[in-house]
Amino acid sequence: KAGVTQTPRYLIKTRGQQVTLSCSPISGHRSVSWYQQTPGQGLQFLFEYFSETQRNKGNFPGRFSGRQFSNSRSEMNVSTLELGDSALYLCASSRAVGVKEQYFGPGTRLTVT
Amino acid sequence: GNSVTQMEGPVTLSEEAFLTINCTYTATGYPSLFWYVQYPGEGLQLLLKATKADDKGSNKGFEATYRKETTSFHLEKGSVQVSDSAVYFCALSVNSGGSNYKLTFGKGTLLTVNP
Repeated sequence: KAGVTQTPRYLIKTRGQQVTLSCSPISGHRSVSWYQQTPGQGLQFLFEYFSETQRNKGNFPGRFSGRQFSNSRSEMNVSTLELGDSALYLCASSRAVGVKEQYFGPGTRLTVT
Repeated sequence: GNSVTQMEGPVTLSEEAFLTINCTYTATGYPSLFWYVQYPGEGLQLLLKATKADDKGSNKGFEATYRKETTSFHLEKGSVQVSDSAVYFCALSVNSGGSNYKLTFGKGTLLTVNP
């Protein structure tokens, strides 16, 4: 069974630009969560999607947004990039909302210059 | 709110040494507890879990016991290998309403095992 895949793996953007990251969950998994990992703040929850609806949201500004498609694939978007947005963005999938185990992808390393 | 505190790293051990990484938590509600491992350049892998008090999670020689009375979930391994070198994260998950679960992580502990 294929794991969670994320594209692209690496990305370099300039301040003020926007970026879209993609995540494909494990086959049969319908819930997708996004996390930001930085050396200073560690791992922080961004949001969770299930059945194309955002079910849970962390404490991030509105520049961070996401969506989920009918095939459970998810994208997250960051607009007006700031230097502090440089991070590893991790996607995790689980079978459904309410299932506690989450399985992570390899992440997208975003560098903002 | 919910939080996880794990021992500061880095931890450096020789091969075959005993490993303990301490983890304590605070949570509103009854959390499930997890240890995740992150190898260099990779995402997080679920190492083990425990969903109720006194449960022992185990995998690949690693063990952790859910201690409700001390709000702890310490990770142990009797004999570490060089291949265990990685960053270890303790995490909890608790229902935040409407069957929503999100993981709250500790800061991570870097383990280096020397041959």
